[in-house]
Amino acid sequence: DAKTTQPNSMESNEEEPVHLPCNHSTISGTDYIHWYRQLPSQGPEYVIHGLTSNVNNRMASLAIAEDRKSSTLILHRATLRDAAVYYCILASGNTGKLIFGQGTTLQVKP
Amino acid sequence: DTEVTQTPKHLVMGMTNKKSLKCEQHMGHRAMYWYKQKAKKPPELMFVYSYEKLSINESVPSRFSPECPNSSLLNLHLHALQPEDSALYLCASRAIKRHATNEKLFFGSGTQLSVL
Repeated sequence: DAKTTQPNSMESNEEEPVHLPCNHSTISGTDYIHWYRQLPSQGPEYVIHGLTSNVNNRMASLAIAEDRKSSTLILHRATLRDAAVYYCILASGNTGKLIFGQGTTLQVKP
Repeated sequence: DTEVTQTPKHLVMGMTNKKSLKCEQHMGHRAMYWYKQKAKKPPELMFVYSYEKLSINESVPSRFSPECPNSSLLNLHLHALQPEDSALYLCASRAIKRHATNEKLFFGSGTQLSVL
């Protein structure tokens, strides 16, 4: 199974943009890149996903490197409610597996 | 209805008990997942069901027995667990379409299990 590597923790100030990086050098051609976040005492929540092109939705943007070996989740204006653990996941196109990486704990300071 | 409902929310059991965790969704999703999450760790995949058939078992010990009786329901039967099995058990579901992993997972809030 392909793996992802993320920084353990990051800090941001409220209302500033946040860029959360993820490395996935062993990604295969059919793997989708998914991002989820998890608040304390809750199940993970979907944020965004993509295959090759950059993606935008109401929550965030996903920038995918041209070689697909890395990606960046962008929160355009962090709020205190965005403080969570953010997981970058490769979703296997062959098996349907979604294997979580270690995650990045994001702290947002007022 | 975009919810995945897990019951019970909390469960305490002894090592000789038999208990079951239940997961339900009414989104028409035909793939359902069990994950195990220890404190401050990422969720670990346990089982995947596709069209009510077990498609992935991540070498989970036989004291965990999954069951998918219909397309809306997923159970995890527990027997002779060990204290190290104490964890948050998460259920998730997703639609199955042409590009299988181009569909997001919907997670329940989990069952917090304590084995004494």
